[in-house]
Amino acid sequence: EIVMTQSPATLSVSPGERATLSCRASQSVSSNLAWYQQKPGQAPRLLIYGASTRATGIPARFSGSGSGTEFTLTISSLQSEDFAVYYCQQYNNWRTFGQGTKVEVK
Amino acid sequence: QVQLQESGPGLVKPSQTLSLTCTVSGGSISSGDYYWSWIRQHPGKGLEWIGYIYYSGSTYYNPSLKSRLSISVDTSKNQFSLNLRSVTAADTAVYYCARQLGYSYGYGLDYWGQGTLVTVSS
Repeated sequence: EIVMTQSPATLSVSPGERATLSCRASQSVSSNLAWYQQKPGQAPRLLIYGASTRATGIPARFSGSGSGTEFTLTISSLQSEDFAVYYCQQYNNWRTFGQGTKVEVK
Repeated sequence: QVQLQESGPGLVKPSQTLSLTCTVSGGSISSGDYYWSWIRQHPGKGLEWIGYIYYSGSTYYNPSLKSRLSISVDTSKNQFSLNLRSVTAADTAVYYCARQLGYSYGYGLDYWGQGTLVTVSS
């Protein structure tokens, strides 16, 4: 099983600042990597697939990069609605999720 | 607008079978463009992809659950279902159904049900 490790577990950021979230795979997943956002009491929302392609309706302030085993999700200027938990997920070999990074208000 | 709704018992006894159904509205489950997935989230924890099905009945299961799992589809009712046998407390989770896109879209899950909490307890 491919293990996805996200860091940090919690990221404290002020509104308007940039947030950078990391995701590492235990083996190469090529560019078969997605990012999801989950708010309390809600289902996850697809943000990014193919490591860097925004899903339909996702604002341009969300961007993804990386390939192989190292990936990054960047939120260029945090809005109030962006405080949430973010999960990376690989689909190169079955599907596995990271444990999540919580983005909280600083 | 596509909507998905999970239904089924919220409490299941250990060693019994967990059964859930997902009803799809606003779109046809027989559309060849999508797959139909089950995902679960243990309380306060991360996400686990359980498995998914195509309208034709082809299934794809999480290897760690495969021996206990079956997913089926009923196109006449626009529903798909999950059966997980021999459950233990470790199967307690919020269970979501979701629509899954194809590989060109990263097998992304673009529409989700609201989720249903299933507790395994005697």
